[in-house]
Amino acid sequence: GAVVSQHPSWVICKSGTSVKIECRSLDFQATTMFWYRQFPKQSLMLMATSNEGSKATYEQGVEKDKFLINHASLTLSTLTVTSAHPEDSSFYICSARVPDRGSSEQFFGPGTRLTVL
Amino acid sequence: GQNIDQPTEMTATEGAIVQINCTYQTSGFNGLFWYQQHAGEAPTFLSYNVLDGLEEKGRFSSFLSRSKGYSYLLLKELQMKDSASYLCAAVDSNYQLIWGAGTKLIIKP
Repeated sequence: GAVVSQHPSWVICKSGTSVKIECRSLDFQATTMFWYRQFPKQSLMLMATSNEGSKATYEQGVEKDKFLINHASLTLSTLTVTSAHPEDSSFYICSARVPDRGSSEQFFGPGTRLTVL
Repeated sequence: GQNIDQPTEMTATEGAIVQINCTYQTSGFNGLFWYQQHAGEAPTFLSYNVLDGLEEKGRFSSFLSRSKGYSYLLLKELQMKDSASYLCAAVDSNYQLIWGAGTKLIIKP
């Protein structure tokens, strides 16, 4: 159990376009999902915490108008990178906590590699 | 502030044992996770410690000392497939994960 999927696995886009990444919890309902970004040879950087039915909480330095997060249902959160630029090229990973599991373990999606040309 | 320290890179030989250390300073503490991450892939769960002591799980063991703010991951009988980054993450008082930068483990034949 506790499987998280992401779509797409990779995407290449032109500078200035917008890209949407989906994160789904397949066998459980996730009230909270997390979006991370990881640059090569660096650790995970939390971008925002996505709460179902409410606004996401963004980490300091993350532009909420550029990285739009929508957590419209208990099984789906989306991250939209608006007006993407080459410096946004990165590995984007979502994770979800299983409610009532009694721990803070996060289950990760497989990640989305974004390349902006 | 909150901080996690772990070595950037370690090298070990196939069949040997390696210990990856992690020290943490967090606002409150609700446990510590170790994750394994292969290049280009998402992290996968290895262990969770919240009480002092050693937790053994097959070839991997994890140790925690709350009083010292210290944990280690012990990998035995190393295999080439163990080449990966190992991420230490502490859980703070808000149940948020504070991530270390990861330790890249290189296994040589």
